[in-house]
Amino acid sequence: DAGVTQSPTHLIKTRGQHVTLRCSPISGHKSVSWYQQVLGQGPQFIFQYYEKEERGRGNFPDRFSARQFPNYSSELNVNALLLGDSALYLCASSARVYNEQFFGPGTRLTVL
Amino acid sequence: AQSVTQPDIHITVSEGASLELRCNYSYGATPYLFWYVQSPGQGLQLLLKYFSGDTLVQGIKGFEAEFKRSQSSFNLRKPSVHWSDAAEYFCAVGDMNRDDKIIFGKGTRLHILP
Repeated sequence: DAGVTQSPTHLIKTRGQHVTLRCSPISGHKSVSWYQQVLGQGPQFIFQYYEKEERGRGNFPDRFSARQFPNYSSELNVNALLLGDSALYLCASSARVYNEQFFGPGTRLTVL
Repeated sequence: AQSVTQPDIHITVSEGASLELRCNYSYGATPYLFWYVQSPGQGLQLLLKYFSGDTLVQGIKGFEAEFKRSQSSFNLRKPSVHWSDAAEYFCAVGDMNRDDKIIFGKGTRLHILP
């Protein structure tokens, strides 16, 4: 079975631009969470979606937004990119809330 | 607030030696605890988890961890490390009361000497 997939693998943007990252959960999983991992740090929670509804939000500015589609895939959007947004963005899916999360390989975002 | 502390940023052990990675957590209720491993440029792989029951948890790749409530610890152990175990290890606690988020420690980088 396919695991969590994310696209693109790598992305280079300049300050002020906008970026959209995509995630496809494991088949049958209805919950998707997003994490940001800055170099040398552990991942930090950004959002969780379940059944297309936002269930949790971490301590990130409003420039970060996300949504979940009827097929349970998800997008993470970041507006007005800053240099500090450079990070590995990880997506995780779980069958339902309060369940084990499975992580994708991540999208490496570099902001110049 | 929930938090996870991994006091060792780097650890170096010789191949074949035993390993223990330390983890302390702060959480108000019975925690959901995890250990993840991350190889360079890769995503996170779950090694093991503790939700309830037996406090000694067996995981993949020969790893185990012991939940000690009195010490708020969840240390990861392996009796004999292999060169392929060199990676970053993250301890994490699941905040399952509200939004299902996972709170990670800052990680411990494991180096293996031949």
